[in-house]
Amino acid sequence: DGGITQSPKYLFRKEGQNVTLSCEQNLNHDAMYWYRQDPGQGLRLIYYSQIVNDFQKGDIAEGYSVSREKKESFPLTVTSAQKNPTAFYLCASTSGYSTDTQYFGPGTRLTVL
Amino acid sequence: KQEVTQIPAALSVPEGENLVLNCSFTDSAIYNLQWFRQDPGKGLTSLLLIQSSQREQTSGRLNASLDKSSGRSTLYIAASQPGDSATYLCAASSGAGSYQLTFGKGTKLSVIP
Repeated sequence: DGGITQSPKYLFRKEGQNVTLSCEQNLNHDAMYWYRQDPGQGLRLIYYSQIVNDFQKGDIAEGYSVSREKKESFPLTVTSAQKNPTAFYLCASTSGYSTDTQYFGPGTRLTVL
Repeated sequence: KQEVTQIPAALSVPEGENLVLNCSFTDSAIYNLQWFRQDPGKGLTSLLLIQSSQREQTSGRLNASLDKSSGRSTLYIAASQPGDSATYLCAASSGAGSYQLTFGKGTKLSVIP
C-alpha cells in the first residue's frame, strides 16, 4: 500500500535534548512538508522540500532543522533552541501539481517533560 | 500574506440535517482550495480539491464550492451522520512554483444521533 509513515507516534523529550522525527513516503512524490499543529489551531508550515538535497523554511522554522538526502525520506529535528516544542507534528507529500492534493501521515505527538 | 478563516469554530447538529461549513481567504490568487477531514489524534484526509478555474466539486454527500472573487468556499454536507463528526479544515494553495497550503483553524463538527 502506498502512503506516508511517521515514527514514533509518541515522543517525549527532556529539556535541552534534540530529537528527530521520521517521515517516509512510497508515493514517489517530489515534494514533502512538515507542519506543526497546536490545540485549536490550524497547521503551520515548518519546512518544505521540492526536490532531493533542497529545502526551504516555512513560517515557523526557528528551532527546527531538516534534511532531504533521499526522495522517500524527510526527517525533522527539533532542537533545544525550539522553546515550546510540545505539539502534534504532521508530515505530508504531494506530486507538486496543482491538481494533486497533499497526502498526510498519521502524525507524531511530541511532549517536553 | 494569505490568511484563511473558518466559521464557525464548532458546530453541533442532529443526525440527518444538512449543513454548511464556511471558509474565507484573503488572497484570491490561489491555485486551488482544498477541504480536509481530521479525526482526533490523526492525520488529515483529503475530501475535495477545487481548482481555481472550477466553481464546485462533489463527492458523495459532500459538495464544495469556490468563489474566488469574494474569497469564499463552502463545504455542504447532506444528510449528516454521526460518522461525519470530525474537524474539517480548508486550505488555500498559493506561492508561485512552491505549492504551499495555508490552513484555517478548522470547524469541529458534532453530529448527534
